[in-house]
This record gives sequence, C-alpha cells and structure tokens, in this order.
Amino acid sequence: QKEVEQDPGPLSVPEGAIVSLNCTYSNSAFQYFMWYRQYSRKGPELLMYTYSSGNKEDGRFTAQVDKSSKYISLFIRDSQPSDSATYLCACNTGGFKTIFGAGTRLFVKA
Amino acid sequence: DAGVIQSPRHEVTEMGQEVTLRCKPISGHNSLFWYRQTMMRGLELLIYFNNNVPIDDSGMPEDRFSAKMPNASFSTLKIQPSEPRDSAVYFCASSETSGVLDEQFFGPGTRLTVL
Repeated sequence: QKEVEQDPGPLSVPEGAIVSLNCTYSNSAFQYFMWYRQYSRKGPELLMYTYSSGNKEDGRFTAQVDKSSKYISLFIRDSQPSDSATYLCACNTGGFKTIFGAGTRLFVKA
Repeated sequence: DAGVIQSPRHEVTEMGQEVTLRCKPISGHNSLFWYRQTMMRGLELLIYFNNNVPIDDSGMPEDRFSAKMPNASFSTLKIQPSEPRDSAVYFCASSETSGVLDEQFFGPGTRLTVL
C-alpha cells in the first residue's frame, strides 16, 4: 500500500464548477500537507500547504486536512480552463522527504 | 533567476547505454533533490543533497544509478547501463534550505526513453 493514495482521474468538469480533489494517507506521523499543480510537460509547482488539521484558503483554492480520518482535500471554486492540470497531494513528517500522491488529472471545459 | 535548469529536455537511448542527466539549481539554494515520475509509481524521491553532500540516497533504485554534486551549481544523475524500465521523466528540484516549509522549485524535467 502506498503511503499517499490519490485517484488518477481524469476528472472533467465544466467551467465555473466547484472541483473537489482528494487524497488519503496511511502514516499518522505526517504533519505537513501540500498540493502541487503540474501543467503538461512542466515540473510541479507548489499551490499551498497546510500544517496539521484544518482549512486554509487562498483565493479560489481551499485546502482541507482531517487527520482523524487521514484525508486531505483541495477545493477549487469557479474553476477555469487554465486550472486544467494534474494536481498532486503531498505529505511530510517535518523532514526533507516529501511523499507525493500519483496525481489527479483535471480538465475544465470552456 | 532562470529557475532550475535541466538538460537535456529529452533523451532517447538504447538499452545498455550510459545516460547522464544534468541539473543547475537556483543560485543560493543549498538543497537539491532528484525525482523520477512515472504513471505507475508517481513522483518518487531518488536522492537528496544538502550543501553538495548526499544525505539520503535510499530512493536510488539500483547500483546502476549514481548521482554527484561537485559544486553548488551543478549536479548529475547517471544511469549505467540503462534499461527500458528506466524510461520516465526525471526532475531536479532545489530549495533554499532543507526545511519542510521551504518550497521546492522544480525544473522542467528530462523525459528519458530507453529502447
């Protein structure tokens, strides 16, 4: 079993929809949770990170962590075609090693 | 700054050949990471350098893989001999320090195909 599990999708939504992306993890020592966005033929770039449980909002993006169920989510409001990318969740215990999910491919149709 | 620079962007080689991937981290960053990304396994850490010293290479799949960082501005990942299962996208990333809250900046990757 992978430490971080993520549905690869693809997920296809119409422009303006609310998108929900999710991951589960197995290591209870994870304290830091991140979401990366990766456009086609590019490297991943950090979208946002959360420490421990709770919510964090940044513009149209909201990251949510529920440590009791080992579940992390990313919500995208008013989705745009430019949001079409692969989204990778990532977890870290506090050291140098970040464990990534496999990524979910998102398509936002105009 | 130009960001993390990787070369070549694409490499096609035949099984058994030596492959060398190159990375120039962002100036001033003292942590460097090599990752491999495949559809099956996702993004995996291969090796981590801090201040040019290899700290953790537990992700290097086999002895056929080796990495060096001779100075703060250059690192190489070598595969010798290469095998078809090594086909993947290899990313180099750098961060200012080794702290978890320091953002890792990824290069554009090298797409390796071993025939």
